[in-house]
Amino acid sequence: GENVEQHPSTLSVQEGDSAVIKCTYSDSASNYFPWYKQELGKRPQLIIDIRSNVGEKKDQRIAVTLNKTAKHFSLHITETQPEDSAVYFCAASIFWGGAGNTPLVFGKGTRLSVIA
Amino acid sequence: DADVTQTPRNRITKTGKRIMLECSQTKGHDRMYWYRQDPGLGLRLIYYSFDVKDINKGEISDGYSVSRQAQAKFSLSLESAIPNQTALYFCATKGRQGGQETQYFGPGTRLLVL
Repeated sequence: GENVEQHPSTLSVQEGDSAVIKCTYSDSASNYFPWYKQELGKRPQLIIDIRSNVGEKKDQRIAVTLNKTAKHFSLHITETQPEDSAVYFCAASIFWGGAGNTPLVFGKGTRLSVIA
Repeated sequence: DADVTQTPRNRITKTGKRIMLECSQTKGHDRMYWYRQDPGLGLRLIYYSFDVKDINKGEISDGYSVSRQAQAKFSLSLESAIPNQTALYFCATKGRQGGQETQYFGPGTRLLVL
């Protein structure tokens, strides 16, 4: 089955700097890669996702890149702010369109601390 | 996200007790999931259901059972709780909204087994 590795497990950055979190996946059939943010004591919430038909997707200060050949994808946060401090999870699954998809397999998470 | 609710939110129980965690959703999604979260281990899938008649084991189903009573309800049971089942449990639903397939999590149930 699918296996998702996520690095680093912890990351500290100065406010205003960029943060990058990387994930690798094992199943070349996986084609859907979401990122979730979990603030302290809260539920995970989707912040951005990417499908394998594109190599990059941006949403304001957040971007995700995908390298299908190498089977890795990354989350990039620019101009970090204290409210970006949270645990971030990457995940992978196979999406069959109208027929549904396999369950998400999550990485172990990255605890990001933005130091003011 | 008030569309996915879990009860109870916190529970303390003793080893050997039977406990049920409940999940309800008003999103109208067919797919529902139970995960457990442990520090440093991320979110691991326990069971999932694609519709009322469909139940599937996840990565760590041993010691757990589920029931899909209706499209909107998916319960997780620990038949005989043990201390290493102490964890944060999340229910999730997935469905198509606005052309996108998105997974939504409930608020979580914090379980302590003594």
